[in-house]
Amino acid sequence: SQQGEEDPQALSIQEGENATMNCSYKTSINNLQWYRQNSGRGLVHLILIRSNEREKHSGRLRVTLDTSKKSSSLLITASRAADTASYFCATDEGSGTSGSRLTFGEGTQLTVNP
Amino acid sequence: DAMVIQNPRYQVTQFGKPVTLSCSQTLNHNVMYWYQQKSSQAPKLLFHYYDKDFNNEADTPDNFQSRRPNTSFCFLDIRSPGLGDAAMYLCATSRGTYQETQYFGPGTRLLVL
Repeated sequence: SQQGEEDPQALSIQEGENATMNCSYKTSINNLQWYRQNSGRGLVHLILIRSNEREKHSGRLRVTLDTSKKSSSLLITASRAADTASYFCATDEGSGTSGSRLTFGEGTQLTVNP
Repeated sequence: DAMVIQNPRYQVTQFGKPVTLSCSQTLNHNVMYWYQQKSSQAPKLLFHYYDKDFNNEADTPDNFQSRRPNTSFCFLDIRSPGLGDAAMYLCATSRGTYQETQYFGPGTRLLVL
């Protein structure tokens, strides 16, 4: 299975601290994506990093990708209570024109305490 | 500006009683996806449509079927729901190009009594 594994499963931090989540996967990928899910809601796309990229930034988010280790990390800096959510990595096995075919990891539940 | 809409948000059905979940999109995307997400688990892809071309995942139970009558709408039919089918069902769309993101609806939570 291509499913990503994430750690930690749960993370609790104080507002203002940084949060780091890790994802590992098993085989070659086109890209890796991170999504956020607030409790009982749909997923929101955060960032996509291609297999030939090593690092990408978007606002307070920083994603790294190490294809040799088949791993990725998501760093949220200066966390806020509103960042409380589940964070999922997803590997894209899409074959081009058929759209993206995502396989999700189990997710990290982040709690940011005020 | 709702982009991917799922109705209803909550659905209660009885064991064995067919149920249909609906999804619509205003993005004019070519691809529509259905995921099943059980409590505290990862979303799992059931199937997707690229335009009218249906793509079923190998391990999706036969109990689950889908219809896409036009670009905007896609339906998930569960022919005979079992207790194990209680889950959140997520619809998503994408343009159908290479290396792209998906846009998710808010989900429909299905309860089977």
